[in-house]
Amino acid sequence: DTAVSQTPKYLVTQMGNDKSIKCEQNLGHDTMYWYKQDSKKFLKIMFSYNNKELIINETVPNRFSPKSPDKAHLNLHINSLELGDSAVYFCASSPAGTGPDEQFFGPGTRLTVL
Amino acid sequence: AQSVTQLGSHVSVSEGALVLLRCNYSSSVPPYLFWYVQYPNQGLQLLLKYTSAATLVKGINGFEAEFKKSETSFHLTKPSAHMSDAAEYFCAVSGAGGTSYGKLTFGQGTILTVHP
Repeated sequence: DTAVSQTPKYLVTQMGNDKSIKCEQNLGHDTMYWYKQDSKKFLKIMFSYNNKELIINETVPNRFSPKSPDKAHLNLHINSLELGDSAVYFCASSPAGTGPDEQFFGPGTRLTVL
Repeated sequence: AQSVTQLGSHVSVSEGALVLLRCNYSSSVPPYLFWYVQYPNQGLQLLLKYTSAATLVKGINGFEAEFKKSETSFHLTKPSAHMSDAAEYFCAVSGAGGTSYGKLTFGQGTILTVHP
């Protein structure tokens, strides 16, 4: 019955590798997000999709490519991983992506780049 | 442009004492304001939100926050702390339109410790 799920929960990889994180929501929401939480716990939005369409694209390196095959899924693919990509990545969703909508967060994926 | 500042990265209280977590915001459009809680190794959970209705907002677990436009503040309070309140708390702002639409900007977080 998990509302927003992410896989994997932990990801340890070498520099230079390519990896993907998957996110699925079963809430019927139209909007999904990716956030990055760094080692100091600072949370910053990376991307937002509304009905499979890119809405928000912060200044994220183009090594990061989100993909939304349908509105229930938003995956994050990262090419040529760097040490600085180590962080916890959170997926979230909200009903319509409007200002006051509550965003529901997944449990996070802890990425460690060695 | 919008930003959030949380005063105090760590707050420590005794069980039963008042909890006060401070948040100040900056927004070029009328803001929507949120408090989220993060327990260790978990995602964020919404405590409460302000959406331009009542300025005093009540949330889950006995928390409430008051929107004060003149002070650009949205401080979180709870009259009596419980051990289970120990967590990290994030204040966030979202704009009602323009480039802030739907975009949550978070503060740096405040870790709340509750002593027996």
